[in-house]
Amino acid sequence: SQTIHQWPATLVQPVGSPLSLECTVEGTSNPNLYWYRQAAGRGLQLLFYSVGIGQISSEVPQNLSASRPQDRQFILSSKKLLLSDSGFYLCGGMKDSGSYGYTFGSGTRLTVV
Amino acid sequence: RKEVEQDPGPFNVPEGATVAFNCTYSNSASQSFFWYRQDCRKEPKLLMSVYSSGNEDGRFTAQLNRASQYISLLIRDSKLSDSATYLCAVPSGGYNKLIFGAGTRLAVHP
Repeated sequence: SQTIHQWPATLVQPVGSPLSLECTVEGTSNPNLYWYRQAAGRGLQLLFYSVGIGQISSEVPQNLSASRPQDRQFILSSKKLLLSDSGFYLCGGMKDSGSYGYTFGSGTRLTVV
Repeated sequence: RKEVEQDPGPFNVPEGATVAFNCTYSNSASQSFFWYRQDCRKEPKLLMSVYSSGNEDGRFTAQLNRASQYISLLIRDSKLSDSATYLCAVPSGGYNKLIFGAGTRLAVHP
């Protein structure tokens, strides 16, 4: 079965600093992968998705970018963080073949100060 | 109209009660639906999938009403451990993308 790893769990970064969050997948190959952000007390907002190596689609204009350098690696980045980038970042992947349900990693809680 | 809408709650219920949440969706072409449970400061975890009229798993029943475009989650014999936020999710725009509702908070008290 699929397992998604995310790190770090918690991050406090100053405004204007760079960001790199990593997500890796075990137990499956060629997964569809998704980055979501959850602001405090809010729902999940889809930021990026990827259906394969080097393939990135952005859902909303923002200060962030994503990359997929390897089949099981999905990276979320920023060159200069804004206060509004604070939130709970979740990496999701298909739960199993033929199912639309996602498995999520344990998330990264980012606070920009 | 938002793609997926949920009553934010909170629903405060005593142990043993039966509680139901609804989730409305706008895309009438949606074929599958999902309920997730999210504990405080944790990632959402898939609770149930609904592909036709409904699905049942122990104390949990999910039902789909296509005519009115909503899905419901029924929890029977509520336990303290059921306290969480329940998110519904609906596919949107291909590539298995899911759109999530903002969630309904459930608090079960002794």
